[in-house]
Amino acid sequence: GAVVSQHPSWVICKSGTSVKIECRSLDFQATTMFWYRQFPKQSLMLMATSNEGSKATYEQGVEKDKFLINHASLTLSTLTVTSAHPEDSSFYICSTETGVSYEQYFGPGTRLTVT
Amino acid sequence: AQTVTQSQPEMSVQEAETVTLSCTYDTSESDYYLFWYKQPPSRQMILVIRQEAYKQQNATENRFSVNFQKAAKSFSLKISDSQLGDAAMYFCAYTPPSGGSNYKLTFGKGTLLTVNP
Repeated sequence: GAVVSQHPSWVICKSGTSVKIECRSLDFQATTMFWYRQFPKQSLMLMATSNEGSKATYEQGVEKDKFLINHASLTLSTLTVTSAHPEDSSFYICSTETGVSYEQYFGPGTRLTVT
Repeated sequence: AQTVTQSQPEMSVQEAETVTLSCTYDTSESDYYLFWYKQPPSRQMILVIRQEAYKQQNATENRFSVNFQKAAKSFSLKISDSQLGDAAMYFCAYTPPSGGSNYKLTFGKGTLLTVNP
């Protein structure tokens, strides 16, 4: 199956700073990628759908100015958490559509801790 | 809006025994896809099994099988001969077959499976 990587796997940043998380599709050209957020012992919550060459589509309640998504190529999408605060601390997971049976392949996730 | 419900927050099973995880969903669509994903402690999401709604035959993947009841909107996962490595959080998920950005998945809240040696 398609391999999806995320970088970094864990990041600690200070409150008020911005942090960028990369999601790469290593062997598949993904026109659509998804960004999820997962709090401890909870399910995945879709934040936004990232479309190559166009603006991302954000889910209701997600601040698009705070969570900036860029999908500049068919293999790379980035999520930038701007002016991070402790409540933004969470596990962020990206996935790609594969075009096969509507399956998604998931990255290993990024743990963000804001101090 | 589609919803996915997993009514069992936690389940446990003895090694080598069989366990069934429940999932129900709500949709007005006639064609869609259903998935079970596994999330072990590493937190990497792994596809366990998929079911296409237009197929009446229940999907199977080695020790994993589903009981898909379309009229009842039920999609349970049976794990046979449970192994210690099966211990994980299991998520049931739904997607409509619209393609493009509508590939997005709706997840249930998950069932934490413990396998006792």
